Amino acid sequence: DAGITQSPRYKITETGRQVTLMCHQTWSHSYMFWYRQDLGHGLRLIYYSAAADITDKGEVPDGYVVSRSKTENFPLTLESATRSQTSVYFCASINDGGAGQPQHFGDGTRLSIL
Amino acid sequence: AQSVTQLDSQVPVFEEAPVELRCNYSSSVSVYLFWYVQYPNQGLQLLLKYLSGSTLVKGINGFEAEFNKSQTSFHLRKPSVHISDTAEYFCAVKSGTCYGKLTFGQGTILTVHP
Repeated sequence: DAGITQSPRYKITETGRQVTLMCHQTWSHSYMFWYRQDLGHGLRLIYYSAAADITDKGEVPDGYVVSRSKTENFPLTLESATRSQTSVYFCASINDGGAGQPQHFGDGTRLSIL
Repeated sequence: AQSVTQLDSQVPVFEEAPVELRCNYSSSVSVYLFWYVQYPNQGLQLLLKYLSGSTLVKGINGFEAEFNKSQTSFHLRKPSVHISDTAEYFCAVKSGTCYGKLTFGQGTILTVHP
């Protein structure tokens, strides 16, 4: 089925480890986004991408790395995980960044860092 | 820069009562406004959106919202809530110059009691 899928859905890791969260969309949307959701903060933008090989920082990019070699995939990597990065991470996509189209969200990855 | 403020972090209400979830935004340019709903352990689902035209917007599940430019508000309403409306609700704003990026409010947890 067409859509946006995130994997894994749940992940537990230790501080200092590298962890990669995957995001895959089947619509060939140009724009993709990574958000983190924390109580009292809503969703905050980590990184976004306007097309393959084009990425840019959002509101809270420190400690994260992204890549986009293919239009359909937008992985998010925590190079050396810290407890403050414990959160729920959402990936989203949209076809046209300028128009009033809504973003489509994945079901999220719940990441716990011990 | 744009920002969104959801004035209530939690709203408890009894079943079949009306509800209003408040949202104020700030932006120096014309905006598009959205309300999303998040059920437990799920991603965000679009409830409704305002792009232009009529200031009263109707969405799914009986929700509606009114855009008020002079008060920079976009409050969400439902005349009679159900237990199944228990969820977290997010207001979001996007301007045409922000390449599709959404700015979210902090979220409002709506709890419907029997």
